Amino acid sequence: GAGVSQSPRYKVAKRGQDVALRCDPISGHVSLFWYQQALGQGPEFLTYFQNEAQLDKSGLPSDRFFAERPEGSVSTLKIQRTQQEDSAVYLCASSLVPAEETQYFGPGTRLLVL
Amino acid sequence: GDSVTQMEGPVTLSEEAFLTINCTYTATGYPSLFWYVQYPGEGLQLLLKATKADDKGSNKGFEATYRKETTSFHLEKGSVQVSDSAVYFCAPSGTYKYIFGTGTRLKVLA
Repeated sequence: GAGVSQSPRYKVAKRGQDVALRCDPISGHVSLFWYQQALGQGPEFLTYFQNEAQLDKSGLPSDRFFAERPEGSVSTLKIQRTQQEDSAVYLCASSLVPAEETQYFGPGTRLLVL
Repeated sequence: GDSVTQMEGPVTLSEEAFLTINCTYTATGYPSLFWYVQYPGEGLQLLLKATKADDKGSNKGFEATYRKETTSFHLEKGSVQVSDSAVYFCAPSGTYKYIFGTGTRLKVLA
């Protein structure tokens, strides 16, 4: 079946704009993760959903970042009042069941804030 | 907190050379250990994993052994190909979230 998809693939925003990044996990996958990958760095955990419940949001860098997964499938990561330091690749991953440790990653959304 | 240290890159090798990329970690308990690979312009792909001490993960000629005593999970391949050029990430997973290293860029020359 299809893998994890993300949209848009690229996003350019002016500082202060709000952006919304979408993730479509693999069908039937219960767990969904967001990671932020700065240039030349490894991905860093942002938040974790099990179905529609956001169980961990400890990695969100500020209250400008908000994630939701209202129906337990598609997820949206929203960044309000974007800043230049938000420029990064945002990766979404999903796994089949909560105890399944293998995560399947999407291609990412590259966000550039000018 | 949990952390991982990877060999600094870039690593440049000739085709058919032997590859080692070192990875050590600190974690509470006994995490599962993963290697992911990121080819240019693509997302992260699982390369191999090991879930308990002394397990060996292997895939596409790559191998890594879970060494609890040295808290290491070094990646090896006996003969690299140009198509192996990518960034490699080591990641322990103690519960549900990965702790990624900074990545090691591998460049293989023909």
